Amino acid sequence: QVQLQESGPGLVKPSETLSLTCNVSGVSISRYYWTWIRQAPGKGLEFIGYIASTGRTTYDPSLESRVTISADTSKSQFSLRLTSVTSVDTAIYYCGRMTNSKGVDFWGQGTVVSVSS
Amino acid sequence: DIQMTQSPSTLSASVGDRVTITCQASQSVSVWLAWYHQKPGKAPKLLIYQASTLESGVPVRFSGSGSGTEFTLTISSLQPDDFGTYYCQQYNSYTFGQGTKLEI
Repeated sequence: QVQLQESGPGLVKPSETLSLTCNVSGVSISRYYWTWIRQAPGKGLEFIGYIASTGRTTYDPSLESRVTISADTSKSQFSLRLTSVTSVDTAIYYCGRMTNSKGVDFWGQGTVVSVSS
Repeated sequence: DIQMTQSPSTLSASVGDRVTITCQASQSVSVWLAWYHQKPGKAPKLLIYQASTLESGVPVRFSGSGSGTEFTLTISSLQPDDFGTYYCQQYNSYTFGQGTKLEI
């Protein structure tokens, strides 16, 4: 059974870097695309980006200058870095498995990140 | 960037009703569209992909149709478990619609 679990700090100071990790079990991350999606309080879903099995990354244009997604196949995990955070980056961050035929078919439970001094 | 617009934003319906939610893309996405259901405090769940294919385990009362720029999600007979928010997502550039909140 495919399972994803986000981990990382729940509180980040303004101007600092948000770092999250998604641990994947039940499937090799050498296959599929692996994505990060976020949801601000009371708002809809926002695509952040993904990393393909080839290592190629794609980011939403609005976040591209601040985002890095990377993967460590030896640890079966992939990560999100978002630099220069502000209060608008406060959100629930979800990791997910994505395919180019189905969209996001497996999701982590989400982790809350607040940006505050 | 492809914009996705859902309507309505909020929908009130009763158990047993037939419910339809629409999603419009600002340019053609062919059939590369998925629908998700999210309950409060939970991660979204994939319902339909490639516009009309039901994800494994999803009840057959859910169906999807459309191609190009116009898409529809239909629930044939609403059940109490169907409350929550529904999102469409195109997976050309992966943007989501703003969501439709379904109140039972």
